[in-house]
Amino acid sequence: EAQVTQNPRYLITVTGKKLTVTCSQNMNHEYMSWYRQDPGLGLRQIYYSMNVEVTDKGDVPEGYKVSRKEKRNFPLILESPSPNQTSLYFCASRKGYQETQYFGPGTRLLVL
Amino acid sequence: GIQVEQSPPDLILQEGANSTLRCNFSDSVNNLQWFHQNPWGQLINLFYIPSGTKQNGRLSATTVATERYSLLYISSSQTTDSGVYFCAVLFSGNTPLVFGKGTRLSVIA
Repeated sequence: EAQVTQNPRYLITVTGKKLTVTCSQNMNHEYMSWYRQDPGLGLRQIYYSMNVEVTDKGDVPEGYKVSRKEKRNFPLILESPSPNQTSLYFCASRKGYQETQYFGPGTRLLVL
Repeated sequence: GIQVEQSPPDLILQEGANSTLRCNFSDSVNNLQWFHQNPWGQLINLFYIPSGTKQNGRLSATTVATERYSLLYISSSQTTDSGVYFCAVLFSGNTPLVFGKGTRLSVIA
């Protein structure tokens, strides 16, 4: 089944403890991206990647890192999480510039 | 700046009623999608529709790119249609999908 997967789906952590949220797609898509969703602010892009080893900042990149070593994987790294990074995170992918974008199931993160 | 505006922000319907949701965008687009976010938070693709009209069961969508708007029609609504409907646009020359703030739909039995 064609899909975007994220893990973990739910995570509670403490301030400063490094964490990684994994994202994987099995559709051979070039574009991958990360969004966060917050009440009243909607969905905002954190980082995106147009292909392997090519990444760029979105609208809200502060406090996040990404890497794209393989085409199918695009992990989101929080080196030192803070409470303002408590949010619902989505990974997404699409084949090309003008193609349908598919979203993963979301990761709910709570930073205490 | 580039903007995506959705209306109405909230909508309450009786089961069986029809509704129209609107998305206005501020510039020419390469991609427009409609999503449904269900009560569990998942974003479900409804339509990829940068122009023209598409139908899928009780849902249909129309985008008039020259007039910079898109409409999502829901007919014979059901309680499972409840959730938030998002319009997301890829503006020419930009990479990220820009989301509207959504329309929150509640269908009451």
